[in-house]
Amino acid sequence: AQSVTQLDSHVSVSEGTPVLLRCNYSSSYSPSLFWYVQHPNKGLQLLLKYTSAATLVKGINGFEAEFKKSETSFHLTKPSAHMSDAAEYFCVVSDREYGNKLVFGAGTILRVKS
Amino acid sequence: NAGVTQTPKFQVLKTGQSMTLQCAQDMNHNSMYWYRQDPGMGLRLIYYSASEGTTDKGEVPNGYNVSRLNKREFSLRLESAAPSQTSVYFCASSDPDRFYGYTFGSGTRLTVV
Repeated sequence: AQSVTQLDSHVSVSEGTPVLLRCNYSSSYSPSLFWYVQHPNKGLQLLLKYTSAATLVKGINGFEAEFKKSETSFHLTKPSAHMSDAAEYFCVVSDREYGNKLVFGAGTILRVKS
Repeated sequence: NAGVTQTPKFQVLKTGQSMTLQCAQDMNHNSMYWYRQDPGMGLRLIYYSASEGTTDKGEVPNGYNVSRLNKREFSLRLESAAPSQTSVYFCASSDPDRFYGYTFGSGTRLTVV
């Protein structure tokens, strides 16, 4: 079975400092991994995706994530936080062997302080 | 713009009432999904339809029914609403043959009193 663990329910950073949102996954086969962002009272927006190509994935708004199979991790990073990055972030795993159904982590709320 | 359209955006129901949430996509995707979002739990799959004419249960199907009306439309029905069904509901679609993630609708905020 697939599962996702987001290691922090809340992360607080100051504007201009680096962001690290941690994610570990469990999947039996070759997973696809995603990060989605949800701003307050909004829908979900795809930030980036890993689908077995390059292990370092670049997404929108300066975010990137690195797929590390040996550590079963897919952490999301950004060099310099902006106030507009304040939102909830979801790490998601999917596998063709499970019908491409998305399995979501519980989410990490990112707070950016001025 | 191409995408997933959900209606209504907001709804308040009394316990025991029924309603149908509508979802339509115009991207010619084969697969469609209904999720519910509750605080601290991420999104959980209620039902999905891998292709027109098929539906399957997800993680939390109890209290819900679905209909894949055609390739574009996938509706979610609550026959007898309960307060535990207060949630935000998201519809999504994907193309399994070119799988780059899902496209989500903007959500329906449902309150059952």
